Amino acid sequence: AQRVTQPEKLLSVFKGAPVELKCNYSYSGSPELFWYVQYSRQRLQLLLRHISRESIKGFTADLNKGETSFHLKKPFAQEEDSAMYYCALSEGTNFGNEKLTFGTGTRLTIIP
Amino acid sequence: DSGVTQTPKHLITATGQRVTLRCSPRSGDLSVYWYQQSLDQGLQFLIQYYNGEERAKGNILERFSAQQFPDLHSELNLSSLELGDSALYFCASSVGQGVNYGYTFGSGTRLTVV
Repeated sequence: AQRVTQPEKLLSVFKGAPVELKCNYSYSGSPELFWYVQYSRQRLQLLLRHISRESIKGFTADLNKGETSFHLKKPFAQEEDSAMYYCALSEGTNFGNEKLTFGTGTRLTIIP
Repeated sequence: DSGVTQTPKHLITATGQRVTLRCSPRSGDLSVYWYQQSLDQGLQFLIQYYNGEERAKGNILERFSAQQFPDLHSELNLSSLELGDSALYFCASSVGQGVNYGYTFGSGTRLTVV
């Protein structure tokens, strides 16, 4: 069965310092990986998808199949980055079945 | 507005009662997903519907049930409520046509069982 592991429940980083939120997954097939962000118990918002290879709000994430990781990175943290971050895995492009499995989340706090 | 609408936003009810949570997906999305978010359990997948049919089931209790109607809105029914059912219940929708663009989440229903 697929699993997503976010080893850090809490992460505090000083403003301007680099940020790395870790995500590891286990899945036998070819997964699709996502990062979601949740500000102050609001709705979850899609931050980025690995297949898009995009950078959103300065965040990037690279899928490393060898290490089965999809770590989220940002070179310079900003106070507005304080939020809950969830890594999620989809089992791929099965028609009508795009169930996402979420990690337990990492609460990122940016220290001014 | 994300396009996914959940009602009500807040619900306070007593143990043993039954409640219904409603979700309207984003226009054009055929898949609806229900998740439960609690402090100690994180985000738990409950159930998925695609175009009116149940497609995947997660850690959903037998006291809980859901359905998706012809207009694609979905309802999650929670019965014989217990204190431990207090949580934030999220609905999400996706296109459901073989390409995973990710979900669009609603703002959630906060259920408090007293």
